Amino acid sequence: GAGVSQTPSNKVTEKGKYVELRCDPISGHTALYWYRQSLGQGPEFLIYFQGTGAADDSGLPNDRFFAVRPEGSVSTLKIQRTERGDSAVYLCASKTAGNTEAFFGQGTRLTVV
Amino acid sequence: GENVEQHPSTLSVQEGDSAVIKCTYSDSASNYFPWYKQELGKRPQLIIDIRSNVGEKKDQRIAVTLNKTAKHFSLHITETQPEDSAVYFCAASKNGAGGGADGLTFGKGTHLIIQP
Repeated sequence: GAGVSQTPSNKVTEKGKYVELRCDPISGHTALYWYRQSLGQGPEFLIYFQGTGAADDSGLPNDRFFAVRPEGSVSTLKIQRTERGDSAVYLCASKTAGNTEAFFGQGTRLTVV
Repeated sequence: GENVEQHPSTLSVQEGDSAVIKCTYSDSASNYFPWYKQELGKRPQLIIDIRSNVGEKKDQRIAVTLNKTAKHFSLHITETQPEDSAVYFCAASKNGAGGGADGLTFGKGTHLIIQP
């Protein structure tokens, strides 16, 4: 595709439920990042993949959050036992190795009720 | 870890005037400083970036300056237009020309309002 694609665009879930958020990066981009953006704040780094492996997961807030990228392309961010504080826009970004610009997706707005 | 402070949080300027947004960073190893523009409900989009081996970069009405000694960098927009109204984020990382593992650390954003 032409850009980074994230699905769904909006997700409403009940407290305690499990959710999966998907990111389709730009074709050929080896680096993929997940960020979380709360209202009125800048994006906050969660995790970085280089290829299939998580090169840096230091931003994941706790063990309820997990992300995978099994084939080095599509990535899924998984949140278990969701809490109201998890409500935010989850952004995905991708870039090529050696190219410093990261391209962002439109984000998934997660609302936990 | 890196900490990025951004000021002001809101900036209102008359159309045609200049706007300046300032950021400071804490990690002297950071070497890549992008600026993103985000319109309401949309994705952040890169408008300009600068690497630590350069002190200034300009692209039409937009310029960025970097002072490594003081660890601060600024965005300058001249001849502002209504379409410049948006939230602007500065960021820093150790992501150099060869790519890197570190993600971007963002400032809290500046809401730029262009008054007609």
